[in-house]
Amino acid sequence: DAGVTQSPTHLIKTRGQQVTLRCSPKSGHDTVSWYQQALGQGPQFIFQYYEEEERQRGNFPDRFSGHQFPNYSSELNVNALLLGDSALYLCASSAKGGRGGEQFFGPGTRLTVL
Amino acid sequence: AQTVTQSQPEMSVQEAETVTLSCTYDTSESDYYLFWYKQPPSRQMILVIRQEAYKQQNATENRFSVNFQKAAKSFSLKISDSQLGDAAMYFCAYRRGGTYKYIFGTGTRLKVLA
Repeated sequence: DAGVTQSPTHLIKTRGQQVTLRCSPKSGHDTVSWYQQALGQGPQFIFQYYEEEERQRGNFPDRFSGHQFPNYSSELNVNALLLGDSALYLCASSAKGGRGGEQFFGPGTRLTVL
Repeated sequence: AQTVTQSQPEMSVQEAETVTLSCTYDTSESDYYLFWYKQPPSRQMILVIRQEAYKQQNATENRFSVNFQKAAKSFSLKISDSQLGDAAMYFCAYRRGGTYKYIFGTGTRLKVLA
């Protein structure tokens, strides 16, 4: 049973560019959350997707957007990249619309913005 | 706004000894959940233990247990019989009931000495 997978593992972009990160949830999970983890910090909640809709959002600008597909996989898009967007981006999935208890995390995508 | 504070950036423990990691939180809600997550150097975060605020009994998972002091808004993690594989970043997290946003602390790096 595959856990949460994310791609790519690492990514290097320059300021002003756009980036798309991908996440496949654990089998049986229907809810995907995205987090940004800056170096030396705890994860910060970006948003959560359920039934292909953004259900809750943290304090992130509109440059951060997402999508969930019918197979429950998800994308995180960041436009107009800033140096401060450099971080580890974590995806987490859970079951039953997030009411099923534990969320499982993926290994993350390390984004470096130059 | 809810906050989670971990005041110990780093802790060390001898193998087979016991260590306690501290976490305090601030909330005016009565319905919430608390979690401890472990993030090993390979980065994939895993759930160690969870506590529902309405439960008075402290949660226990094998060598891991919590001391949940609701009035003091304290949620510490005790690791007994520490093993080398326990070395990791440990994050305390909070989620308000009925919402999907997890709020994480800044983490405590645990070193286990052989």
